[in-house]
Amino acid sequence: DGGITQSPKYLFRKEGQNVTLSCEQNLNHDAMYWYRQDPGQGLRLIYYSQIVNDFQKGDIAEGYSVSREKKESFPLTVTSAQKNPTAFYLCASTTHRDSKNIQYFGAGTRLSVL
Amino acid sequence: AQKITQTQPGMFVQEKEAVTLDCTYDTSDPSYGLFWYKQPSSGEMIFLIYQGSYDQQNATEGRYSLNFQKARKSANLVISASQLGDSAMYFCAMREASGGTSYGKLTFGQGTILTVHP
Repeated sequence: DGGITQSPKYLFRKEGQNVTLSCEQNLNHDAMYWYRQDPGQGLRLIYYSQIVNDFQKGDIAEGYSVSREKKESFPLTVTSAQKNPTAFYLCASTTHRDSKNIQYFGAGTRLSVL
Repeated sequence: AQKITQTQPGMFVQEKEAVTLDCTYDTSDPSYGLFWYKQPSSGEMIFLIYQGSYDQQNATEGRYSLNFQKARKSANLVISASQLGDSAMYFCAMREASGGTSYGKLTFGQGTILTVHP
C-alpha cells in the first residue's frame, strides 16, 4: 500500500533534549512538508523540500531542523532551541507531475514535553 | 491579514441533511488552488476536494461539492446527505503559485468543527 508513514505516534521530550520525528513515503513524490498544529488551530508550515538535498524554511522554522538525503525520507528534528514544542506534527508530500499538487498527509506525531 | 478565513467555529447538522461550510480567501495571485481537508479525531488530514482558480466548473467529489465564487473570493464546501462519520474538523486551504519561492505551500484556515446528529 502506498502512503506516508510517520513515527512514532507519540513522543515525549525532556528539557534540553533533541528529538527526531520520522516521515517516510513510498508514493514516489517529489516534495515533502512538515506542519505543526496547535490545539484548535490550523496547520503552519515548518519546513519543506522540493527535491533531494534541498529544503527551505517555512513560516515557523526556528528551533527545528530537517534533512532530505533520500527522496522517500524527510525527518524533522525538534531541537532544544524550540521552547514550546508541544504540538501535533504532520508530514505531507506531493508530486510535481500533477498540476493540482494535492498534498497527502501522514497520521501525525503528538509531541509532549515531560 | 488572514489569507484563509473560516468564520464558523462549529456547525451542527442532522443526519441526511446537507450542510455548507464557509471559506473566504485573500490573494492577489491570479493562479491559485483551493483545497478542503477533513480531520477526524484521529488527527490524520484527509484530502476531500480541489478547485483551481481557472476552473470554470465547481468541483465535485461524491457527496462533496465546492461552491466557488471567484469574485467574492469564497470557496464553500457543501456536504450532501450528511452521515455520522462526517463529524470532524474541516479545513480550507490555499496554494498560491506566485514567485516559486514557496512552491506548494498551503495556507490553512482555523477550521470548522462539524457535528452530525442522528
